[in-house]
Amino acid sequence: DVKVTQSSRYLVKRTGEKVFLECVQDMDHENMFWYRQDPGLGLRLIYFSYDVKMKEKGDIPEGYSVSREKKERFSLILESASTNQTSMYLCASSFPARSGNTIYFGEGSWLTVV
Amino acid sequence: AQKITQTQPGMFVQEKEAVTLDCTYDTSDPSYGLFWYKQPSSGEMIFLIYQGSYDQQNATEGRYSLNFQKARKSANLVISASQLGDSAMYFCAMREGLESNTGKLIFGQGTTLQVKP
Repeated sequence: DVKVTQSSRYLVKRTGEKVFLECVQDMDHENMFWYRQDPGLGLRLIYFSYDVKMKEKGDIPEGYSVSREKKERFSLILESASTNQTSMYLCASSFPARSGNTIYFGEGSWLTVV
Repeated sequence: AQKITQTQPGMFVQEKEAVTLDCTYDTSDPSYGLFWYKQPSSGEMIFLIYQGSYDQQNATEGRYSLNFQKARKSANLVISASQLGDSAMYFCAMREGLESNTGKLIFGQGTTLQVKP
């Protein structure tokens, strides 16, 4: 059974803390994505990685960074968490677009910054 | 600029009736794909249907069909014979650069559908 696993389902962090959200996929996918989902705004792309150590900014990269040291793992980092980063974060993975159009999602991580 | 636009924040439909959820998109890439996802209150993203920009026919999957009007850049989702279990948030999404390694997947704002018994 294919899987995209997000390390934490629910987190509560304090303002200014460094936060790591981990995503692991077991399908040997090249592409991995991080989104945040907010009411009325849909899913907004934060960062995208199309291969190990390769990354591209999405629509809202400010305040975030990412790490892709291994193919199966894509980490989202909040260097100094702020209350406006309270949101639901979704990870996804896929083969490159030219190899198929099936995209797999994790279950989401609910982050509250207090 | 918003590339995927869903203009209906919320919709109601009577059980067993059909409903259309609107989606318009903007791209200059000739090779792209359009997706619809369903997100129930549990939060999981459920893939419903896919349409490629070069596909000649509108995609259909069971009760779901995609009304693809390329010249208008619209990709509306039609759900026939609505069921109570169809109540959820629905997202339209687009992936550009289908012939590359770097095609991003971007989403619209979503439409909340409520099916009335």
